[in-house]
Order: sequence, then structure tokens, then C-alpha cells
Amino acid sequence: EVQLVESGGGLVQPGGSLRLSCAASGFTFSTSWMTWVRQAPVKGLEWVANIKQDGSEKYYVDSVKGRFTISRDNAKNSLYLQMNSLGAEDTAVYYCARNYYGRYFDLWGRGTLVTVSS
Amino acid sequence: DIQMTQSPSTLSASVGDRVTITCRASQSISSWLAWYQQKPGKAPKLLIYEASSLESGVPSRFSGSGSGTEFTLSISSLQPDDFATYYCQQYNSYSGTFGQGTKVEIK
Repeated sequence: EVQLVESGGGLVQPGGSLRLSCAASGFTFSTSWMTWVRQAPVKGLEWVANIKQDGSEKYYVDSVKGRFTISRDNAKNSLYLQMNSLGAEDTAVYYCARNYYGRYFDLWGRGTLVTVSS
Repeated sequence: DIQMTQSPSTLSASVGDRVTITCRASQSISSWLAWYQQKPGKAPKLLIYEASSLESGVPSRFSGSGSGTEFTLSISSLQPDDFATYYCQQYNSYSGTFGQGTKVEIK
């Protein structure tokens, strides 16, 4: 089955760190751009970061530059998002998505909730 | 950065109605635009890409048009399963800015 499954969300204190993972299956992960998108409670979608197939190109929304790092391990069919210096504004459901050649998102996971609170 | 503005924010319609949602980009994005449908508690679903191409498996009552800075998503005959929130997304420059969303409600 073609799917993406996120994990690693949870409650973290302001200023803390968290690492999200996304396990891919049913398609050739190593030939796919990948993306993280987030959605704050009762808010719209916000693109967070893209990564090219081999990890050589990465793009971020301005609000996470310098704090978040997207990475991948093609041998493990896995995508990651390292999140540092977290603030309340980072509270959201984080979705992993397959990205068609750096363009649109044609396969989504179910999401993992990150809550930043003391 | 490219900004995307959708209108209206909320739309009330009845089953069988034709519905149109507009998305405007702050600068030209050619045809690099996608539309997604999201239902409460669920992940978004791709409907349209490259402004007017229908994703496989999406009903033909959905259609997209436009280029440059102005785009529309149309639903020819609204069905009960179509009540949801719709988002446009530009992908002109390896970023992926979304519009703020349009909620389609039952009238």
C-alpha cells in the first residue's frame, strides 16, 4: 500500500526540540521530492520545507529558517524534521507529503500533533 | 515572497449548485497552481495540479482554470461529499505557499 506515516509528535516545552519522522512505503522514496506541511489548530495549511531526492537541495519557509532542518535517509525510506527553539507558534499538526518534482503534493500522511506549551 | 489570496472565505451552497472559488497570486506564477480538498480531522487531498489538470480518481465535476495571477476552482454540481475546505497552493519557486482556505458549507 502506498502510504506515509508520521511519528514523533508530542508535548514539548517552549525552547525545546523535537524530531519528527515519516516512514514511506509502496513507492520509490529515493526518486521523490518530499515535504513537510503544518496546520495550526483551526487554521489553514502552511508549507514548511521541501527536500530534493538526494538531499542536495532544501527549502524552508522564512519562519522556520535556522530552527528547523529537513533531512532524509533513502536507505530507510524515511523523512525527518528536526525542530529546535520551539515556540507556541509552532503548535500544529505536521504532515509529511510526497512532492511531485518540487511542485505539488500528491500523497499525504495522516499527520502528527506537536504541542508547544509549559 | 508570493502571497495567495482566496475568496470567498466561506461559501454557503446547496446540493446541485455550481460553485466557484477564486485564488489570486501576488505575482505571476504561470500555471504552477494546485487545489486541495480537506475535511475535518483528515489530511488534504490533491484535486487539481498545473491549474487545470485533474488528479487521477477525482470526479470530473471538479475543474480548474486560470494562469498568471488569477485562478478558479469550480464544482459543476455540488454533492454531499463536497462540503469541505478548499485550498489553493502555488509552487512557482520550490516553495509552496497556500491560500487561506475556502470553507464550503451547507446552505
